[in-house]
Amino acid sequence: NAGVTQTPKFQVLKTGQSMTLQCAQDMNHNSMYWYRQDPGMGLRLIYYSASEGTTDKGEVPNGYNVSRLNKREFSLRLESAAPSQTSVYFCASHVDGPQHFGDGTRLSIL
Amino acid sequence: GESVGLHLPTLSVQEGDNSIINCAYSNSASDYFIWYKQESGKGPQFIIDIRSNMDKRQGQRVTVLLNKTVKHLSLQIAATQPGDSAVYFCAEGSRRALTFGSGTRLQVQP
Repeated sequence: NAGVTQTPKFQVLKTGQSMTLQCAQDMNHNSMYWYRQDPGMGLRLIYYSASEGTTDKGEVPNGYNVSRLNKREFSLRLESAAPSQTSVYFCASHVDGPQHFGDGTRLSIL
Repeated sequence: GESVGLHLPTLSVQEGDNSIINCAYSNSASDYFIWYKQESGKGPQFIIDIRSNMDKRQGQRVTVLLNKTVKHLSLQIAATQPGDSAVYFCAEGSRRALTFGSGTRLQVQP
């Protein structure tokens, strides 16, 4: 069971570069989420998608865009990366029970 | 917005002892509470959840207690093992929208 798969696992960007983080789930879940996790802090919601074709802002959406490509895939895009976006990014999905998480993308912006 | 906090950032226990991790929440409208375990370099892993219409729920070696009167949530781990060493997060809200605490690190001493 793959569950939630995130790519890439690590990435280093320069300020101003763009980047798309990929997420795919194979559990036929309707809802998908993007979170960021900063040192010593809990996860903060960036965007979520309640179902295919819909997306909504979370707590910290500024500087990000998302695309719900199909039921399986939900991507997060940084159009012009800033050092404040250095973080670990987690994707999650669920249909009725608890949210299931991927292992994250560690993103550093210099 | 509402916040979820933890009383102790680090908890150190002896192998075989029981562990109790505490969490305070402030949103009285939350109807869903959940505990996650996060090991280094991994995504959050679901441990146990509880709805607001319950005050106790048991799993394998874990018990979650919910006290709505004082807005307190706890996770009890019986016979703590070295493999339980990790950061534990509580989260509250609804199954679709979660607010995470900042985490407690559990260290198991052999």
